[in-house]
Amino acid sequence: GAVVSQHPSRVICKSGTSVKIECRSLDFQATTMFWYRQFPKQSLMLMATSNEGSKATYEQGVEKDKFLINHASLTLSTLTVTSAHPEDSSFYICSAREDRNTEAFFGQGTRLTVV
Amino acid sequence: EDQVTQSPEALRLQEGESSSLNCSYTVSGLRGLFWYRQDPGKGPEFLFTLYSAGEEKEKERLKATLTKKESFLHITAPKPEDSATYLCAVEGSGYSTLTFGKGTMLLVSP
Repeated sequence: GAVVSQHPSRVICKSGTSVKIECRSLDFQATTMFWYRQFPKQSLMLMATSNEGSKATYEQGVEKDKFLINHASLTLSTLTVTSAHPEDSSFYICSAREDRNTEAFFGQGTRLTVV
Repeated sequence: EDQVTQSPEALRLQEGESSSLNCSYTVSGLRGLFWYRQDPGKGPEFLFTLYSAGEEKEKERLKATLTKKESFLHITAPKPEDSATYLCAVEGSGYSTLTFGKGTMLLVSP
């Protein structure tokens, strides 16, 4: 299957600081990328959908000013958690899709811990 | 609103003991049903896509089937390395996002 690389895999940051997570599609061009959040023993919760070159579409209840998403190229999307707080600690996962007729492939996830 | 319910929540099998995982769904116009495997602390790994009722797909010890209301993931003679959480997701016809179930945590003991 296609490869999606997510970096970093783990990050610890201090409360009030910002953290950037990168998601790259390595062997295909992703017209659409998705960002999810996953709590322990829970399903994946979609945070936002981004299409290359346009603004991300956020799901209801997700603060767009707190979770900044940029999809500047067909192979790279970034999620920046701004002014992080302990309640933002979670497992964040990206996925990428070449188009609607192909499967979505996932990155390996980022464990964020805010202290 | 699309909904996906997976059962059981957890399943413990002995090595070689075959079983099935269930994914019940409601969706407006199914474009696809997806099965993923997720290991602890990792992102989901794609397994199968099913598009229409009656379709079946196989990969090693796994076989996925689809009806108009549910999908089954059959595991034949599982091995300990099949231990993981198996996620089911659906995509409706009107948009490109996936709705996931909570998953079934499978543990295969030697």
